[in-house]
Amino acid sequence: EAQVTQNPRYLITVTGKKLTVTCSQNMNHEYMSWYRQDPGLGLRQIYYSMNVEVTDKGDVPEGYKVSRKEKRNFPLILESPSPNQTSLYFCASSLGAGSFYEQYFGPGTRLTVT
Amino acid sequence: TQLLEQSPQFLSIQEGENLTVYCNSSSVFSSLQWYRQEPGEGPVLLVTVVTGGEVKKLKRLTFQFGDARKDSSLHITAAQPGDTGLYLCAGPNTPLVFGKGTRLSVIA
Repeated sequence: EAQVTQNPRYLITVTGKKLTVTCSQNMNHEYMSWYRQDPGLGLRQIYYSMNVEVTDKGDVPEGYKVSRKEKRNFPLILESPSPNQTSLYFCASSLGAGSFYEQYFGPGTRLTVT
Repeated sequence: TQLLEQSPQFLSIQEGENLTVYCNSSSVFSSLQWYRQEPGEGPVLLVTVVTGGEVKKLKRLTFQFGDARKDSSLHITAAQPGDTGLYLCAGPNTPLVFGKGTRLSVIA
């Protein structure tokens, strides 16, 4: 089954404790991205990757890191989480960039930073 | 960054009613997508529109792309409770830009 998986689905952590949210896709997609979704602000892109070892900032990259060492995986790293990073996070993948291509979203990771 | 304005923000209707939601931009789109997001899940693509004036139908959902490619609408005929969700439009850029969505609630 074609899918994007994220782990963990739920995470409660404390300020400053480094964490990684994993994302994996099994569709051999070139393009992967991370979004955060907040009430009243909608879905905003954090980082995206056009291919292995190619990453770029989205609209809200501050406080986040990503890596793309292999095609299927695109982890999101929060080196020193803060309460304003409490949010619902989605990983997505697609054959290419932009709205000519269907974005396949993972199920989401709900992060709470206290 | 291209901004996408969606309206209305919230919509609560009775089963069987018709409704239309809108997505507008001050800039011209090369293409536009509509997604639906159900509670606890990620968005799922409904349709991509590319040509100005284009109309696409997906069962009871009708999507229209404006002639000038600066606006789009989604019309649902005879809404059902299963249509409940957040409807998002997404613009063409990299990074992809999403509107804030219309949250639809269809009451049985």
